[in-house]
Amino acid sequence: DVKVTQSSRYLVKRTGEKVFLECVQDMDHENMFWYRQDPGLGLRLIYFSYDVKMKEKGDIPEGYSVSREKKERFSLILESASTNQTSMYLCASSLGRLAGRYEQYFGPGTRLTVT
Amino acid sequence: AQSVSQHNHHVILSEAASLELGCNYSYGGTVNLFWYVQYPGQHLQLLLKYFSGDPLVKGIKGFEAEFIKSKFSFNLRKPSVQWSDTAEYFCAVRGGGADGLTFGKGTHLIIQP
Repeated sequence: DVKVTQSSRYLVKRTGEKVFLECVQDMDHENMFWYRQDPGLGLRLIYFSYDVKMKEKGDIPEGYSVSREKKERFSLILESASTNQTSMYLCASSLGRLAGRYEQYFGPGTRLTVT
Repeated sequence: AQSVSQHNHHVILSEAASLELGCNYSYGGTVNLFWYVQYPGQHLQLLLKYFSGDPLVKGIKGFEAEFIKSKFSFNLRKPSVQWSDTAEYFCAVRGGGADGLTFGKGTHLIIQP
């Protein structure tokens, strides 16, 4: 089974803090994704990465950055947390176009509260 | 840009009722289609997927979905729901050579015993 793990289930941070969310997958997947999930808005893509050190902006990248130094690890960074970034953050991975497999496998999520 | 529309945000059914959740997408080319489920307190799980071939696909837990290309639809069905099907359901589409998926806003399904 594919396993995607996220560093924290719950996180509380103050406005202006720099926040790191970590994600690790154990199935040698090429692609990794960060989403935020908000009630009534579904999942919105923040950033994704299709290879080490490669990244692409998603639909809502403002206020976020990412890092992928190793294939199995994809980090989401909130440079200066704000209250409107309070949300559930989901990490996902997929095999990608080399395998022709695009279904994504999700981690348990990190519920971030910014006060 | 692709978009996915799920017609119902909230659905309430009684046990043993039949279920159909609507999903329409906007992309006109070749697509891959997915349904995901999120049970309370759990992570998103893949229910079923369509890549090619038979437009009627069967997934886990008795769910199935039908791809109707002419209607740009991929509706999820289950003939008899159970209380344990209470969850949020998301439709997603991949198209245009992209690696990522575009998700609908979700349908919150409540099954009353």
